Amino acid sequence: QKEVEQDPGPLSVPEGAIVSLNCTYSNSAFQYFMWYRQYSRKGPELLMYTYSSGNKEDGRFTAQVDKSSKYISLFIRDSQPSDSATYLCAMKPGGADGLTFGKGTHLIIQP
Amino acid sequence: EPEVTQTPSHQVTQMGQEVILRCVPISNHLYFYWYRQILGQKVEFLVSFYNNEISEKSEIFDDQFSVERPDGSNFTLKIRSTKLEDSAMYFCASRSRSGGATDTQYFGPGTRLTVL
Repeated sequence: QKEVEQDPGPLSVPEGAIVSLNCTYSNSAFQYFMWYRQYSRKGPELLMYTYSSGNKEDGRFTAQVDKSSKYISLFIRDSQPSDSATYLCAMKPGGADGLTFGKGTHLIIQP
Repeated sequence: EPEVTQTPSHQVTQMGQEVILRCVPISNHLYFYWYRQILGQKVEFLVSFYNNEISEKSEIFDDQFSVERPDGSNFTLKIRSTKLEDSAMYFCASRSRSGGATDTQYFGPGTRLTVL
């Protein structure tokens, strides 16, 4: 079983729609959860960072962590064409440094 | 806004040759990282570096790899004898300190390494 599973997509939605991106993980030691956005030929850019279970909101983005189900989500409200990118979930155990990434979901927002 | 920079953007080398990938982390950051992403695959952690020594490394980071901070600004990844399977995008990252909201790794744009 892979440590972090993420549907690679592509996921295509119309502009203005609510987008839901998800990852599941198997390692119960993961405590820190992140979502990165990666545009073509660019490095990953941090969007959201969460530590505990629950929701965290930042503008149009909401990150959700359910440690009991080993499931994390990123919601994007009022999606824009500029949100078109690959979204990577990443996580790490407490005390560790290296991030474990999902494969990324390629998101396309249609104008 | 400060950013991590990497040079070169694309490096082509022959199998068996040594390559050095260079990174300039954000200036007040203390922790430095290398990751790689083989085409179509996930981003994979290679190594982290703090206080002039390796703090953590993955199974990928074998004896063919080494890292160095030769001066106050650069952070390098050396691959001694490149193999075809080393072809990938290599990302450098840095962060300022441990704990809480500051525990953010900022990534550079990457160096695409092609081994022929």
